[in-house]
Amino acid sequence: KAGVTQTPRYLIKTRGQQVTLSCSPISGHRSVSWYQQTPGQGLQFLFEYFSETQRNKGNFPGRFSGRQFSNSRSEMNVSTLELGDSALYLCASSWGNTYNEQFFGPGTRLTVL
Amino acid sequence: DQQVKQNSPSLSVQEGRISILNCDYTNSMFDYFLWYKKYPAEGPTFLISISSIKDKNEDGRFTVFLNKSAKHLSLHIVPSQPGDSAVYFCAASGAGTASKLTFGTGTRLQVTL
Repeated sequence: KAGVTQTPRYLIKTRGQQVTLSCSPISGHRSVSWYQQTPGQGLQFLFEYFSETQRNKGNFPGRFSGRQFSNSRSEMNVSTLELGDSALYLCASSWGNTYNEQFFGPGTRLTVL
Repeated sequence: DQQVKQNSPSLSVQEGRISILNCDYTNSMFDYFLWYKKYPAEGPTFLISISSIKDKNEDGRFTVFLNKSAKHLSLHIVPSQPGDSAVYFCAASGAGTASKLTFGTGTRLQVTL
């Protein structure tokens, strides 16, 4: 069974640009969550999508947005990039029920110059 | 406000001995706890989980203990192997927000020969 895949794996952008990251969950999983990992803040929850609807949201500005498609694939968008957005962005999928472990993809390393 | 804390940033253990990683939480609404292992530039790998209705869960060499009154959980690895060397994160979620994981800051485990 294929795991969670994320594309691209590495990305370099400049301040002010926008970026879109993609995540394909494990087959059958309906929940996709996004996390940001930075050295200073650790792993922080961005948002979760379940059946194409945002179900949970973390404490990030509106520049961070996402969506989920009918096949459960998800995209995350960051607009007007700032230097502080440089991070490893991780996507995780699960069945979406209570007490389901999340399985993480390898992440997308975003560098903002 | 760090709701999940791992107070030991690093731990060194000899091969074959027991590794004990600790985690404390402050939010009494958390009812599901997980441990993940992470290598640099990779996504976290799920190890073991426990719900608040239990106080112990075992899976092979890994055992997680939960002390709800103390708001404390620990991961025991017996016996420790060199391949266990990684950063270990504990994570927690609450009822209704099972996919919104709050992570600790991580403990770097080094298993020496």
